[in-house]
Amino acid sequence: EAGVAQSPRYKIIEKRQSVAFWCNPISGHATLYWYQQILGQGPKLLIQFQNNGVVDDSQLPKDRFSAERLKGVDSTLKIQPAKLEDSAVYLCASSLGSRVAKNIQYFGAGTRLSVL
Amino acid sequence: GQNIDQPTEMTATEGAIVQINCTYQTSGFNGLFWYQQHAGEAPTFLSYNVLDGLEEKGRFSSFLSRSKGYSYLLLKELQMKDSASYLCAAPRPTDKLIFGTGTRLQVFP
Repeated sequence: EAGVAQSPRYKIIEKRQSVAFWCNPISGHATLYWYQQILGQGPKLLIQFQNNGVVDDSQLPKDRFSAERLKGVDSTLKIQPAKLEDSAVYLCASSLGSRVAKNIQYFGAGTRLSVL
Repeated sequence: GQNIDQPTEMTATEGAIVQINCTYQTSGFNGLFWYQQHAGEAPTFLSYNVLDGLEEKGRFSSFLSRSKGYSYLLLKELQMKDSASYLCAAPRPTDKLIFGTGTRLQVFP
């Protein structure tokens, strides 16, 4: 079974530039999550989708971050404009959803973003 | 708040046993997950406890006490490849995971 795919693996940009990340979840997984992981910290949820609807975006800095999951499969996360403090690893995860008792989230390898 | 607390770093010797503790607020969480994360890689699922008690899976075991908001991950017969960060995470009813900062474990020969 293919895992969660993310691209690119690495991205270096200058502050005030824009960047986009792509995620393809495990086939059949209804729920998709974007996490931000700053060095030395645990992942922090940015946004959670159930199919193509947003479940939780309470910690998404909406003035600069946006995400979409058109057609309920692939998702993109965009930052515009980037700030120095956005330097982090952006992890995408997917899961079957709440209908299962053991709703395990499976993570992609992440995109490491450096903002200079 | 939604505090998940775990030690920042631990060291141990190859072949030994190590216990990584995690404490969390008891309200609003439904069980506890443990993930392993090697440097530069994605977190990978280790265990999920929803009921109190110990669950054993090979060299790794996980324990949960919901009333105390306490969990631990027990690693036996440590190997060099076990050097990694271990993240405990508590799920909210919406399935959102609240992660601790992770415990970086270094295993020495």
